[in-house]
Amino acid sequence: AQSVTQLDSQVPVFEEAPVELRCNYSSSVSVYLFWYVQYPNQGLQLLLKYLSGSTLVKGINGFEAEFNKSQTSFHLRKPSVHISDTAEYFCAVSDVYNQGGKLIFGQGTELSVKP
Amino acid sequence: EAGVVQSPRYKIIEKKQPVAFWCNPISGHNTLYWYLQNLGQGPELLIRYENEEAVDDSQLPKDRFSAERLKGVDSTLKIQPAELGDSAVYLCASSHNSGTSNSYEQYFGPGTRLTVT
Repeated sequence: AQSVTQLDSQVPVFEEAPVELRCNYSSSVSVYLFWYVQYPNQGLQLLLKYLSGSTLVKGINGFEAEFNKSQTSFHLRKPSVHISDTAEYFCAVSDVYNQGGKLIFGQGTELSVKP
Repeated sequence: EAGVVQSPRYKIIEKKQPVAFWCNPISGHNTLYWYLQNLGQGPELLIRYENEEAVDDSQLPKDRFSAERLKGVDSTLKIQPAELGDSAVYLCASSHNSGTSNSYEQYFGPGTRLTVT
């Protein structure tokens, strides 16, 4: 069964510093990869997705992620964070052979941006 | 464009009572998902609908949980009777998936926070 591991449960960082949120997945089959953000008391919002093509994916709010098939990783990065980036971030994977199928989520990483 | 709508946003009930959650997906989205999110964890799929058909309900505890999506639009998730361990956030999501056009993006509602006392 597929699984997603987010290596850091909490990441504190100062404003304007760079940040990397790490994500590894277990599946050996072809996958689609996603990063979602969840602000307090809100639903999840898609930041970016990797379906195929370039392994460097750019998303909203200045975030980007790089798909590394050999390391089964999909780490999320931002060169300079803002206070407003404080939220919970979830990495998710979907099996390409399960069209429209379920997402398997990681446990989440709480990003806390301090002034 | 209106997003996924869920109600109620918050619900507090005593154990053994029934509870129902309602979801209205984005117009035109044929696929609807119900997820369970426990505190400090990622969402876990309970059930997925393609139009009116439940195509994946393998994670739905069928002894106490039920769901329906009449007419392939709105959906209701019910728990009867509720247990203390059911306290969580119940998220609804929708997407547009077809043989030739899949967005692979699920749009989430704000969720219903259930507290069972």
